[in-house]
Amino acid sequence: GESVGLHLPTLSVQEGDNSIINCAYSNSASDYFIWYKQESGKGPQFIIDIRSNMDKRQGQRVTVLLNKTVKHLSLQIAATQPGDSAVYFCAGPMEKLTFGTGTRLTIIP
Amino acid sequence: EPEVTQTPSHQVTQMGQEVILRCVPISNHLYFYWYRQILGQKVEFLVSFYNNEISEKSEIFDDQFSVERPDGSNFTLKIRSTKLEDSAMYFCASSEQGSYNSPLHFGNGTRLTVT
Repeated sequence: GESVGLHLPTLSVQEGDNSIINCAYSNSASDYFIWYKQESGKGPQFIIDIRSNMDKRQGQRVTVLLNKTVKHLSLQIAATQPGDSAVYFCAGPMEKLTFGTGTRLTIIP
Repeated sequence: EPEVTQTPSHQVTQMGQEVILRCVPISNHLYFYWYRQILGQKVEFLVSFYNNEISEKSEIFDDQFSVERPDGSNFTLKIRSTKLEDSAMYFCASSEQGSYNSPLHFGNGTRLTVT
């Protein structure tokens, strides 16, 4: 069946370093992907999206890379800050609007 | 920046009582959603709503649940007879286009506690 999931449940990064959060998907027909973050006690927050006609998209301090050959998606956060601590989710349009368990990013001061 | 607002932030109710959770989606958005998150678990889809009708619902969204857009700005979730296992954070979301083409914007949730 269709699935979008995340590689690691947890990731710890030193403050100031770059973070890379990975995600895999199984459906080759997926053509739109979204990254969300969820801070403790808050709702999921849209970070950045990408369509399948692109390989890369940049936002403020974030970059999403899409590798359609291996069906892999990554979110890169530059110069990680304490405020980046959250659970990060990738989602695709074929996923019946469901979220996976996410990757919990912890920033080490 | 426009945002989705939810009220109340915390609702405590007794088992068997009806609750209504309220949401004001972003004003130019056409698609509306409810999700829930039981403590420590995943965000789970409940229902999506477009053009004044339900477009998709999950198996969680049984006959005890209903949604309504009573006017041009509010979107509500009603639970008719709450159960202990309904205790969760309930998130409302809206999107400009459907989830296949645009991101969902979430509110900060209503924490429902059923005692």
